[in-house]
Amino acid sequence: GAVVSQHPSWVICKSGTSVKIECRSLDFQATTMFWYRQFPKQSLMLMATSNEGSKATYEQGVEKDKFLINHASLTLSTLTVTSAHPEDSSFYICSARVGASSTYEQYFGPGTRLTVT
Amino acid sequence: QKEVEQDPGPLSVPEGAIVSLNCTYSNSAFQYFMWYRQYSRKGPELLMYTYSSGNKEDGRFTAQVDKSSKYISLFIRDSQPSDSATYLCAMSPLSSNYKLTFGKGTLLTVNP
Repeated sequence: GAVVSQHPSWVICKSGTSVKIECRSLDFQATTMFWYRQFPKQSLMLMATSNEGSKATYEQGVEKDKFLINHASLTLSTLTVTSAHPEDSSFYICSARVGASSTYEQYFGPGTRLTVT
Repeated sequence: QKEVEQDPGPLSVPEGAIVSLNCTYSNSAFQYFMWYRQYSRKGPELLMYTYSSGNKEDGRFTAQVDKSSKYISLFIRDSQPSDSATYLCAMSPLSSNYKLTFGKGTLLTVNP
């Protein structure tokens, strides 16, 4: 159980275009989802916390107008990188908490590798 | 001082060895502790989840938490080449936002 999927697994786009990444919880409802980015040989950097039906909470330094997050249902959250630039190239990973549980563990998706040319 | 410190390694051991991975932390409010395994170009996989101090065992993996020393460990017995990955510790205080603080990860290689 507790499987999280992401789509696409990798994407190449041109500078100035927008890219949407989907994160789905396949076998559970996720009230809260998290979006991270990870640079090579670095740890996970939390970008934002997404709660179903409400606006995402962004971490300090993360541009909310550039990284649009939508959590329209209990199984789907999307991250849209708008007007992408080469410096946005990174590995983006989502995670989810199980429903209304009080536990803290997060289950991660397989990640999306974004390359902006 | 960073909230969570983890030696990045790399750590290289022969197959069958006992591996010890560790993290130290500075925030005494941390109560929930996790270990994740991340293979290259993949998302992290939850290995162990513990609350407060004590030990937890699951197969070849044992997690230990010593809150008095602000020190957590993951032991891997009879290590296998398939255990080669980056191991990340993560922790959280009792909090309504459920955010995790991660260590930088330790790169482990188990040589056949």
